[in-house]
Amino acid sequence: EVQLVESGGGLVKPGGSLRLSCAASGFTFSSYSMNWVRQAPGKGLEWVSSISSSSSYIYYADSVKGRFTISRDNAKNSLYLQMNSLRAEDTAVYYCARVGSGLIDYWGQGTLVTVSS
Amino acid sequence: DIQMTQSPSTLSASVGDRVTITCRASQSISSWLAWYQQKPGKAPKLLIYKASSLESGVPSRFSGSGSGTEFTLTISSLQPDDFATYYCQQYNSYWGTFGQGTKVEIK
Repeated sequence: EVQLVESGGGLVKPGGSLRLSCAASGFTFSSYSMNWVRQAPGKGLEWVSSISSSSSYIYYADSVKGRFTISRDNAKNSLYLQMNSLRAEDTAVYYCARVGSGLIDYWGQGTLVTVSS
Repeated sequence: DIQMTQSPSTLSASVGDRVTITCRASQSISSWLAWYQQKPGKAPKLLIYKASSLESGVPSRFSGSGSGTEFTLTISSLQPDDFATYYCQQYNSYWGTFGQGTKVEIK
């Protein structure tokens, strides 16, 4: 069974940093691209970042470019999102998601990031 | 950038109703479109991929159609478990743009 478990969310002050992790199991992690998708409270889904299976290709939404860094450790079956210079508008539930055949086929349960003073 | 526009934003319907949600892309995305269902406090769930292919385990009352820039999700007979928010997502490009969502409410 595919499982994606996010961790690392919490309350952080504006300008602060946070590192999200996603532990993957139930599939060959090193064979799949992975995404981070976020959802602000009461709002829709927003794609944040993508990383290919071997980390050769990395993409970011304009809203986070230069502040967030996606990475992965295939030996540890883990995906990461380093978030710096956080803003109030980054407050959201952050989902780790597997990309299969080009689309998101599995989602984690999400981790809440709150940016507030 | 490819923009995705869903309509309506909210839909009020009764159990047994036929429901149709529309998703329009700002440029052609061929058939690279997925539909997701999300319930409050839960992660989205994949329903339809490649515009019209039903994900394994998804009830057959869900169907998708369209190609190019116009797509629809149809629920043939709305069931109590179907009251949720539905999102389309294009995956023609690496930035998988989502529609803004359609909330299906009880009438």
